[in-house]
Amino acid sequence: DIQMTQSPSTLSASVGDRVTITCRASQSIGTWLAWYQQKPGKAPKLLIYKASSLESGVPSRFSGSGSWTEFTLTISSLQPDDFATYYCQQYSNYPWTFGQGTKVDIK
Amino acid sequence: QVQLVQSGSELKKPGASVKVSCKASGYSFTSYVMNWVRQAPGQGLEWMGWINTNTGNPTYAQGFTGRFVFSFDTSVSTAYLQINSLKAEDSAVYYCARYGDMAFDIWGQGTMVTVSS
Repeated sequence: DIQMTQSPSTLSASVGDRVTITCRASQSIGTWLAWYQQKPGKAPKLLIYKASSLESGVPSRFSGSGSWTEFTLTISSLQPDDFATYYCQQYSNYPWTFGQGTKVDIK
Repeated sequence: QVQLVQSGSELKKPGASVKVSCKASGYSFTSYVMNWVRQAPGQGLEWMGWINTNTGNPTYAQGFTGRFVFSFDTSVSTAYLQINSLKAEDSAVYYCARYGDMAFDIWGQGTMVTVSS
């Protein structure tokens, strides 16, 4: 199975900060990577697919980059609505696997 | 609008069965495969597998074979997850999620299953 490792596990930041979350795959997945945002008690929401494509309706302050084994999610200017947990997911090889999550909380 | 609406929370005793439903609307049900994702309390997301709503072929992730059954009924555009012989460790929120070209783009709101004697 492909292991997805996110860092950091927790990130404390302030409104307006630039935030970067990293996701590493244990083997190459091309660009078959998605990023999701999850708030407490809610379903995950797709932000980014194919590593860098922004899902319709998602604010442009979110961006994704990377390929093969190294990927990043960047929030250019953190907004109050962005405090949440973020997950990466590979959908290159079965079983599809998620990272362990990165919680972004208020500094 | 495109949405997946899941059935409500369930409280079951160990050894019982539960069937979670996921009703799709706003799109062609058979054009997208349906995934199931588990989230144990305070934990991350775990992909359970999917069912091809066109061919009926299910794919189960390791750890979700035997007691877990994916099915669907195209007449009501609804996918189902059945869990048999429930154990305490099956207590979790279960999500259905549509897979298209854009990863898991639509998610159900989640169904909490609690297994307790």
